[in-house]
Amino acid sequence: AQSVAQPEDQVNVAEGNPLTVKCTYSVSGNPYLFWYVQYPNRGLQFLLKYITGDNLVKGSYGFEAEFNKSQTSFHLKKPSALVSDSALYFCAVRDKAAGNKLTFGGGTRVLVKP
Amino acid sequence: NAGVTQTPKFQVLKTGQSMTLQCAQDMNHNSMYWYRQDPGMGLRLIYYSASEGTTDKGEVPNGYNVSRLNKREFSLRLESAAPSQTSVYFCASSEQLGTASNQPQHFGDGTRLSIL
Repeated sequence: AQSVAQPEDQVNVAEGNPLTVKCTYSVSGNPYLFWYVQYPNRGLQFLLKYITGDNLVKGSYGFEAEFNKSQTSFHLKKPSALVSDSALYFCAVRDKAAGNKLTFGGGTRVLVKP
Repeated sequence: NAGVTQTPKFQVLKTGQSMTLQCAQDMNHNSMYWYRQDPGMGLRLIYYSASEGTTDKGEVPNGYNVSRLNKREFSLRLESAAPSQTSVYFCASSEQLGTASNQPQHFGDGTRLSIL
């Protein structure tokens, strides 16, 4: 069965500092990996995805993520965090061998302090 | 740009009552999904519909039923609500589940449901 782990419930970072949100996954086949962001009282918004090709994927709002097959990780990064990046972030994996359903991690709350 | 619209946004029920959550999308997507979100547990798939006319169980289907009314609409029904079903419910849609499975899902803003 496919699974996703986000080991940190919360990440605190000062505005202007680099931001990293960690994600590891487990699938039986080749993974499709996604990052979503959720602001208070809103639905999830798509940030970026890895399907194939370059291990470094660029997405919305200056975010990027690095796919590492050997470590089964897909960490989300932003070089310089903004207060407005404070939100709940979800990593998700889709495994074709599991019927293409999306499995989400438990979420990581990011707090960017001025 | 409406995207995915969910109604109602909030609801309080008593144990044993029934209710239907409505979801509609205007992006001409084939696939639609219902999730529940509980603290620390991410989103868990309740039911999904790969295409109009089909529905399948997800990870946590017990206590729920769904109807894919047409390509636009996918409803979730609680026949006899229980306190354990207190949660935030999200509807999502995406391009075809099969060959275009690398497409992201688009989410509504959720229905916050409390069952007393």
